[in-house]
Amino acid sequence: AQKITQTQPGMFVQEKEAVTLDCTYDTSDPSYGLFWYKQPSSGEMIFLIYQGSYDQQNATEGRYSLNFQKARKSANLVISASQLGDSAMYFCAMTWAGAQKLVFGQGTRLTINP
Amino acid sequence: SQTIHQWPATLVQPVGSPLSLECTVEGTSNPNLYWYRQAAGRGLQLLFYSVGIGQISSEVPQNLSASRPQDRQFILSSKKLLLSDSGFYLCAWSRGRGQPQHFGDGTRLSIL
Repeated sequence: AQKITQTQPGMFVQEKEAVTLDCTYDTSDPSYGLFWYKQPSSGEMIFLIYQGSYDQQNATEGRYSLNFQKARKSANLVISASQLGDSAMYFCAMTWAGAQKLVFGQGTRLTINP
Repeated sequence: SQTIHQWPATLVQPVGSPLSLECTVEGTSNPNLYWYRQAAGRGLQLLFYSVGIGQISSEVPQNLSASRPQDRQFILSSKKLLLSDSGFYLCAWSRGRGQPQHFGDGTRLSIL
């Protein structure tokens, strides 16, 4: 069965530093997609970035990049030059060929300190 | 651009009362629609999804139901709420299978 594991319940980072949030996944399907979402304290889920299993290059969106290591089944989110507004819960999620749903990890609470 | 509206934002209901949460999407047609529940401090659990009007798939057996009476309208219902139904309910839409899902602002449901 497909599974997402986020091993960091919480992380504390100084403002302007880069931060890496870990995500490992498990699937036997060769076609899958990986997503990262941000959930501020207000509750809404904000889509950040997507990586397809056949994509040759790591996805990037502004300050967000996804460090995709297929052999290790990891899809870590890297946030460059962190800002106070980056403080939130971050969820890694995946879908796979034939699936309609996303499977989410348990999340990592990121706190940016001034 | 596409927008998703979900209401109410918060709801306090007594045990045994009915429930109706509504979600509508604007700016797109024939979206896939989803209802998720999030327990405090946890990830999201898919409850229902719909690929078209009147087409509902249930992921988790429970006393909740969903309906899609119109293309861009998705409703989550219950005839009798349980204490265990408390949580944060999120509606989402996507263009199709494998596409990013975009979420509404959520409804915080408290059962007393």
